[in-house]
Amino acid sequence: EADIYQTPRYLVIGTGKKITLECSQTMGHDKMYWYQQDPGMELHLIHYSYGVNSTEKGDLSSESTVSRIRTEHFPLTLESARPSHTSQYLCASSDFYEQYFGPGTRLTVT
Amino acid sequence: AQSVAQPEDQVNVAEGNPLTVKCTYSVSGNPYLFWYVQYPNRGLQFLLKYITGDNLVKGSYGFEAEFNKSQTSFHLKKPSALVSDSALYFCAVRDGEVVNFNKFYFGSGTKLNVKP
Repeated sequence: EADIYQTPRYLVIGTGKKITLECSQTMGHDKMYWYQQDPGMELHLIHYSYGVNSTEKGDLSSESTVSRIRTEHFPLTLESARPSHTSQYLCASSDFYEQYFGPGTRLTVT
Repeated sequence: AQSVAQPEDQVNVAEGNPLTVKCTYSVSGNPYLFWYVQYPNRGLQFLLKYITGDNLVKGSYGFEAEFNKSQTSFHLKKPSALVSDSALYFCAVRDGEVVNFNKFYFGSGTKLNVKP
């Protein structure tokens, strides 16, 4: 079982609200990632980080932002949630080889 | 460009029969290849990987995969399917170029249905 945690697991929020999705890992991995996934569909990389104070945008354009102030913590923020942001958000970290995924946050914006 | 293709959206197999989930890839350098499984409302779980060495790799829950360099394929297999194997399966490749070494490329996923 991978030691990577995401909170909340489920979130229903109104349009225009600011939200932060939390992701933490206890494995000491430098590399962390955020993916967006509609149910049963493919994964889209939206942000990644090589280490502290390093963040990059992924392949899918996203209105979200991320920060990496500590190795273990990689939060994702939406300044103003919209219904189009409704999706599942998966956080992952990696060592030299494979990625380890958190359980995901299912976000619904009404 | 780096990419992964899973040509089948869905694979149906009867319990006890062998199963194959197909994956082909395109990468500029040496590929690092992975299979993950996803159950409903969960994250992805690592099944197995190919880095180097023997072309047949064994992983969790009785799954194995065969790396074929000439066909650029990495098909997932299991000799005898279980109903509990029903899930969404993703193939992934890690970029062989040093600059983009940290990026993973995922296929679109294949839904495996194992019927009793």
